[in-house]
Parts: sequence; structure tokens; C-alpha cells
Amino acid sequence: GEDVEQSLFLSVREGDSSVINCTYTDSSSTYLYWYKQEPGAGLQLLTYIFSNMDMKQDQRLTVLLNKKDKHLSLRIADTQTGDSAIYFCAESVNNAGNMLTFGGGTRLMVKP
Amino acid sequence: SAVISQKPSRDICQRGTSLTIQCQVDSQVTMMFWYRQQPGQSLTLIATANQGSEATYESGFVIDKFPISRPNLTFSTLTVSNMSPEDSSIYLCSVAEGIHEQYFGPGTRLTVT
Repeated sequence: GEDVEQSLFLSVREGDSSVINCTYTDSSSTYLYWYKQEPGAGLQLLTYIFSNMDMKQDQRLTVLLNKKDKHLSLRIADTQTGDSAIYFCAESVNNAGNMLTFGGGTRLMVKP
Repeated sequence: SAVISQKPSRDICQRGTSLTIQCQVDSQVTMMFWYRQQPGQSLTLIATANQGSEATYESGFVIDKFPISRPNLTFSTLTVSNMSPEDSSIYLCSVAEGIHEQYFGPGTRLTVT
């Protein structure tokens, strides 16, 4: 079965880097995603990575994928208070990338 | 990206009643989904809303409890039937625009007393 796990909480100081980790169990995952959920808002797609890639960078965001260990991470450089939110990783096992299994979410708190 | 709205944004309902949640998209989309996010937990896919045919439900969810309509490519409803306090959750509609691009509505926060 599919299982995606994340640590519950991360606290960093403004300007530091944040690293949010995720592990998954389904080796047939095709795409892996990071979503951001701010209080009272829906989920915002931040970035995604195809399973045959190791790394993807998008401005302040860097996604690292270790397929052997089934480990995904999201690094946020120069973390700002506006980055405070819950971050969900999700995996898709179909090629259309639209049947998602979500992790439990990591609450990122950025202190000024 | 698609703009998704949901109604109501929140509601407090009595046990045993039903609530219908509406999801409206500003463009035609092929795939629409309904998710549930229970308090402090992650999202769980309830079903895929298929236009012109019956929804496809995930394990643990049944049509009698969560009937879904999808009359066209921009609109869907999810009904939570015969509610109990365990149904208190945020219900989110999402749409898929092409590969990888899945967008979520703001959610409907349901509290059942």
C-alpha cells in the first residue's frame, strides 16, 4: 500500500534555510509533489519532480530525490516569515500525476 | 492556473442531516476530485468526479454516504449524508489541468454537532 510520512514540525529563524523531509513506500511512484497550505487557504502546488530526476531547483526551492531510499526533501533558501505554513509532500503512481497520496504535513514556523 | 471556488466556505450542521458542497471552476477541466482533510491530518482522496457518469470512489468511501454529481466540465457537488461528528473535516475540491498540475479549492470546513 501507499504510505507517505513527514515530520510534524520544523522551526527556523528568518534568513536560515529550511529542509523538510518526506519518505514514501511505493516504489512505483512516478511523480512527487510539494504543496503549501497557509492558514485558512487551500493547497498551493509549489513544485514537483519526476521520479527519474535527482534534483530540481526553482528559485528559492530545491527538491532532492533519493529514489533508492525513497526519500524526498524540500529545501527553502533564505526562509521568510511568509513561508510559515504546512507543507505536504505527495506522490502519484499514475502517469497522469493526478491520483495523489499525501503525507501528514510538516508545519514550518519561521521566527523573525 | 484554474480558479476554484467552493460553497459554503464553512458550516455547522446537526448530526443526521446532509450538506451539499459545491465546487465551481473558471475553466473546463477533465478531472475533478474530492478530498477530505480531517482535523490535524493529511488529505485523503474520496473520489474522482466523472463528467456524465458515476463517480469513482476510493476504498473506504461509498456513494450512499458521499454522493457526487458532475453535470458539466466546470461544476461538481459533494453531499455528506446522514452526518455524524466523525464527518467533521475540511472538504476540498481539486482539478487537474494536464499532467502534474493539480489545483485545490479553498475548502469547506464542516463541523457536525
